[in-house]
Amino acid sequence: TQLLEQSPQFLSIQEGENLTVYCNSSSVFSSLQWYRQEPGEGPVLLVTVVTGGEVKKLKRLTFQFGDARKDSSLHITAAQPGDTGLYLCAGANHNAGNMLTFGGGTRLMVKP
Amino acid sequence: GAVVSQHPSWVICKSGTSVKIECRSLDFQATTMFWYRQFPKQSLMLMATSNEGSKATYEQGVEKDKFLINHASLTLSTLTVTSAHPEDSSFYICSARGRQGRVFPFFGQGTRLTVV
Repeated sequence: TQLLEQSPQFLSIQEGENLTVYCNSSSVFSSLQWYRQEPGEGPVLLVTVVTGGEVKKLKRLTFQFGDARKDSSLHITAAQPGDTGLYLCAGANHNAGNMLTFGGGTRLMVKP
Repeated sequence: GAVVSQHPSWVICKSGTSVKIECRSLDFQATTMFWYRQFPKQSLMLMATSNEGSKATYEQGVEKDKFLINHASLTLSTLTVTSAHPEDSSFYICSARGRQGRVFPFFGQGTRLTVV
């Protein structure tokens, strides 16, 4: 069974601060997805990283896939209240039909 | 982008009754659908995987007789919570995956089930 450990579980910061969320595993994944989920809604895909060492940017969000494809990070610059939500990482393996293994989630609260 | 629609968004039912939740893929053929359960402030827990036209595969600890899954067509899967009890109250989310070219699953909006 592949496991993904996500940290921190909860983060409360002031508007304008930077933050990083980590997703770690002892297993290798073919790809890793980051989702954002708001209360009462399903997860929305933010990005997919596939290549070891890959870095993707989405406005103020920077996603990185570890060289060994076992870990990933999400960095948010100058957080805004609109960034508040549950961030989920999920790993997938082509050999397992790309079924997703979810991390425990990081609940982010950005205070104005 | 691909759209997965889940219905209803929320439902309140009496203890002992059954509730059916629908998951539809609106613009693609979903060969596989996944059903998740999410408790407050927690991550998603996979309940079962269903492939069109075959029986669902349930995760360990999930009662298949209580959570009935049907995937009779390439655009619709249903989850029926039978004889619901208050402890079944939760947020249920489906995701759907299509054929080659639509590799990663897309999620429905979720269904908030409250059993009173």
